[in-house]
Amino acid sequence: NAGVTQTPKFRILKIGQSMTLQCTQDMNHNYMYWYRQDPGMGLKLIYYSVGAGITDKGEVPNGYNVSRSTTEDFPLRLELAAPSQTSVYFCASSGLAVSSYEQYFGPGTRLTVT
Amino acid sequence: TQLLEQSPQFLSIQEGENLTVYCNSSSVFSSLQWYRQEPGEGPVLLVTVVTGGEVKKLKRLTFQFGDARKDSSLHITAAQPGDTGLYLCAAYMIKAAGNKLTFGGGTRVLVKP
Repeated sequence: NAGVTQTPKFRILKIGQSMTLQCTQDMNHNYMYWYRQDPGMGLKLIYYSVGAGITDKGEVPNGYNVSRSTTEDFPLRLELAAPSQTSVYFCASSGLAVSSYEQYFGPGTRLTVT
Repeated sequence: TQLLEQSPQFLSIQEGENLTVYCNSSSVFSSLQWYRQEPGEGPVLLVTVVTGGEVKKLKRLTFQFGDARKDSSLHITAAQPGDTGLYLCAAYMIKAAGNKLTFGGGTRVLVKP
């Protein structure tokens, strides 16, 4: 059981470039999330999904897009990267039952936009 | 303005001392979680509290949920260098869609040997 995996671990982008951050979970969780964490701060929700084919905006969705074609995968797309998107990005997943509301996090992707 | 306020933002103590971290809101939570995050890693769940007034212990860590379910605290007794990390509280607000968590800004704890 690998849990939640994210690739790449690090990436440097130039302003205006695009990229996709990959996230995969092998726990058969319905719920998946993308967060960003700025230095010394908590996590802000970008997008989330309650199941395959269903996505919704979180607190800070501008500049990002997501898709959820399978239960396992939840990629995050950055179009036209901007310096304000420099951050650490975490993907997380959780199960359906109230007792399973624990969110399991991946190791993060550190993105720098210059 | 953060929905969940954590205090203090940073705490530096000597090994063996005690510390308390607070998490407060003006909103009522369905439940509240505490996570610990180490450098270069994602947060890991420590505990979930659900009932107002609930107290949970995890070895040297004691978690308390306020009676009105608007606040929580984390107390560490006899802190050790291994307790160093970023402590995050996260709450499920009542009727939040998608099981979404709202995170506090975090408290960075440094325990010096």
